[in-house]
Amino acid sequence: EPEVTQTPSHQVTQMGQEVILRCVPISNHLYFYWYRQILGQKVEFLVSFYNNEISEKSEIFDDQFSVERPDGSNFTLKIRSTKLEDSAMYFCASSEEIKIYNEQFFGPGTRLTVL
Amino acid sequence: AQKVTQAQTEISVVEKEDVTLDCVYETRDTTYYLFWYKQPPSGELVFLIRRNSFDEQNEISGRYSWNFQKSTSSFNFTITASQVVDSAVYFCALSGGNNDMRFGAGTRLTVKP
Repeated sequence: EPEVTQTPSHQVTQMGQEVILRCVPISNHLYFYWYRQILGQKVEFLVSFYNNEISEKSEIFDDQFSVERPDGSNFTLKIRSTKLEDSAMYFCASSEEIKIYNEQFFGPGTRLTVL
Repeated sequence: AQKVTQAQTEISVVEKEDVTLDCVYETRDTTYYLFWYKQPPSGELVFLIRRNSFDEQNEISGRYSWNFQKSTSSFNFTITASQVVDSAVYFCALSGGNNDMRFGAGTRLTVKP
C-alpha cells in the first residue's frame, strides 16, 4: 500500500541552525501539507502546497519557514534559523485533490529537537 | 472560524469497558468534513474515519462507532469492549472551505488490563 515517508525520523539541531525536513508524498498525489505537533499538544496546520506554490498557510508559517518541491518526488520544509520553540513533531501529508473531502495521508513524522 | 473541542483530556478505563470520546465543532461552512485520527505511542497519525456534513448516518466498524449529530455539532466516537491496544491519543479534526484541517486538542485514552 502506498504511503507517505519522511526523513529523518529524528533531527537534533542547535538553535539558529537551518534544518530541512524531507517528505516523499504518495506518487499520484498532487496536494501536499505540513503540520506541526508540539509535544503533548494538538496537531496544527502549517501550509498546503499545490502546483509548485503555497495554497494556504497558517499564522505559524512565518518567514522562517519555506516549502519546496525540488524534484518530482520530494517535498521539503525548511526552517531557516531554528528556535527552541520549533521543537516539535512535523508531519507531512498528501492528498489526491485539495477538495475538503479528500483524505490526507500522513507520514510517520519527523521529531525535531532544537537545543 | 473553525474550532474543534475535545473536552476530555484523559480517560482511563479497564479492558472490556465501553468508552465514548466527545468531539464538538464550530464552523460557518455548510460543507465540511469531520475526521477521527488515532495517535499511538509510536507517534504516527492513523486515519479512522471521515464523515461529511450531509451524512448524519451513524457508522459502525467493528468495535468502533461514530455518532454524528449536526444539531449539537458533535461527532462522538465510541469504542466497545475496549482493549489495551486501544490506548492512544485520539484526535477529532474538521476540514472546511479553507482546506486546512483543524485538530482538537486530543483525548488520551488509557485502557488498563
